[in-house]
Amino acid sequence: KQEVTQIPAALSVPEGENLVLNCSFTDSAIYNLQWFRQDPGKGLTSLLLIQSSQREQTSGRLNASLDKSSGRSTLYIAASQPGDSATYLCAVRPGGATNKLIFGTGTLLAVQP
Amino acid sequence: ETGVTQSPTHLIKTRGQQVTLRCSSQSGHNTVSWYQQALGQGPQFIFQYYREEENGRGNFPPRFSGLQFPNYSSELNVNALELDDSALYLCASSFELTGVETQYFGPGTRLLVL
Repeated sequence: KQEVTQIPAALSVPEGENLVLNCSFTDSAIYNLQWFRQDPGKGLTSLLLIQSSQREQTSGRLNASLDKSSGRSTLYIAASQPGDSATYLCAVRPGGATNKLIFGTGTLLAVQP
Repeated sequence: ETGVTQSPTHLIKTRGQQVTLRCSSQSGHNTVSWYQQALGQGPQFIFQYYREEENGRGNFPPRFSGLQFPNYSSELNVNALELDDSALYLCASSFELTGVETQYFGPGTRLLVL
């Protein structure tokens, strides 16, 4: 059974710092891995999607890496800003016909001005 | 904005009642998935509909049921509500063709069961 874990559960940093969020999964047979952002009480915004054949994806100040063999992904945020404060969720799509996502419990990020 | 809308935004029900939540997918998307997100947890997959047929189900009892309509809308129905059903319910739509499509999430419906 696929399980997704995110560390740390919460993180507080001063504005301008670079930071890394971690995600691990137990079964390497995945189609892709996706990072989402969730603001309080809101839906999910997709940040980056990494296909199983890829090693990393970049969008602006965000960079996500994937090491399928070790079951790990990291989300790197450069030069953090208070507007980055949110919960960050990673999700894997396991193999199979159903496009379902298995989520971690998230990392709550607070960027202090 | 993902183009996926959900209604209502908030809902309060009492234990034992029934509830229907609605989702309007992006135009052209043939797949809709529903997720339950309890407070402080990641979303949990409930089920998925592809071309109006159920196409996979998570670990949820039969009192959770759904429908998908040809006009890109869908419903999640929950019978015999329990206190633990209190959660944010998210729908996500995608166009499934090659198996690597991104899902687009709606803003969610917050359900409180008293």
